[in-house]
Amino acid sequence: DVKVTQSSRYLVKRTGEKVFLECVQDMDHENMFWYRQDPGLGLRLIYFSYDVKMKEKGDIPEGYSVSREKKERFSLILESASTNQTSMYLCASSPISNEQFFGPGTRLTVL
Amino acid sequence: RKEVEQDPGPFNVPEGATVAFNCTYSNSASQSFFWYRQDCRKEPKLLMSVYSSGNEDGRFTAQLNRASQYISLLIRDSKLSDSATYLCVVNSGQNFVFGPGTRLSVLP
Repeated sequence: DVKVTQSSRYLVKRTGEKVFLECVQDMDHENMFWYRQDPGLGLRLIYFSYDVKMKEKGDIPEGYSVSREKKERFSLILESASTNQTSMYLCASSPISNEQFFGPGTRLTVL
Repeated sequence: RKEVEQDPGPFNVPEGATVAFNCTYSNSASQSFFWYRQDCRKEPKLLMSVYSSGNEDGRFTAQLNRASQYISLLIRDSKLSDSATYLCVVNSGQNFVFGPGTRLSVLP
């Protein structure tokens, strides 16, 4: 079974802190994605990566950056957390143009 | 216009009912299509892929109409355990676009 893991299920940070969300997949998938999910807004793509060291902006990249140094790991970075970044963050991976597999999500609260 | 739109819901149906969800997409270059389900406070999980000829998996039937850019999901003999949010997902190359989801509650 494909496994996508995320470093934390719940995280509480203060405004202005730098936040790292880690995602690891064990199926050698080329593509990895970061979404946030908010009530009434559905899943919104922040960034995605289709290869090591490659990244592409999604629909809402502002305030975020990403890093993909190894194929299995895709990190989301909030350089200076703000309260409007309180959300559920979901990581996913997929082979090219095929179904996505999601991690369990990280519920981030920024105070 | 949103890239992927779904019935707004929620749908509240009795056990055993048949329920249909509709989804439309705007990008005619879209290549692959999926239905995901998401339980409350859980991550989305693939329910089924949608193929051009239509496909069935037990009580679930998915249809695709490329000319109308329309996808449907039919659930027959609904169970309490079918209660979830159903997400229509469209892939155009490397990017997946999610619809807002339609919430289903199956009532005893």
